[in-house]
Amino acid sequence: EADIYQTPRYLVIGTGKKITLECSQTMGHDKMYWYQQDPGMELHLIHYSYGVNSTEKGDLSSESTVSRIRTEHFPLTLESARPSHTSQYLCASSESAGRPSGANVLTFGAGSRLTVL
Amino acid sequence: GIQVEQSPPDLILQEGANSTLRCNFSDSVNNLQWFHQNPWGQLINLFYIPSGTKQNGRLSATTVATERYSLLYISSSQTTDSGVYFCAVNSGGSNYKLTFGKGTLLTVNP
Repeated sequence: EADIYQTPRYLVIGTGKKITLECSQTMGHDKMYWYQQDPGMELHLIHYSYGVNSTEKGDLSSESTVSRIRTEHFPLTLESARPSHTSQYLCASSESAGRPSGANVLTFGAGSRLTVL
Repeated sequence: GIQVEQSPPDLILQEGANSTLRCNFSDSVNNLQWFHQNPWGQLINLFYIPSGTKQNGRLSATTVATERYSLLYISSSQTTDSGVYFCAVNSGGSNYKLTFGKGTLLTVNP
């Protein structure tokens, strides 16, 4: 059973709209991530956070922004959606406390599939 | 950055067959994970295996870190094994920024 929740699961909106994809986890994990998955299946890291009030951009440039005000919450926002933003967005979390060095095991949410018309 | 190559890109099996999926990576790692993405898009962690061998039921994985590859074995495949299998490794000095391979699309036919 997933302990990381994403809403909405599906969203179809028009160009220029502002959208926020929600991600919440109940595991108390310190690290959270947003991945973008294109139709060719490959996942690309677009944002990550290693704790409250810390966010970093990932390897793939994205026009989206994120915030981490609470440990359990890591929303992603697009100020003005465009068709090029159409994709699947996957949120994940991990924790290294109590594990061997490097053992950040990711738990993923079910994803948010965004379509911009 | 680190490169991750998975093979084969596609694999079609009959139920009951065995298979081996491979993940090659271009640099030393201290974090390697295998995931299964089901047809509904949910990613499930199968193994955390930066080195050595692990088994979980019909699935097992081996990572030979010195030779920079990992193998995922699926025995007696079932239709529910269908989906995409991803290998992910850490990049640079950060052990929690994972880079994913392009995946292997597995189809198990009844």
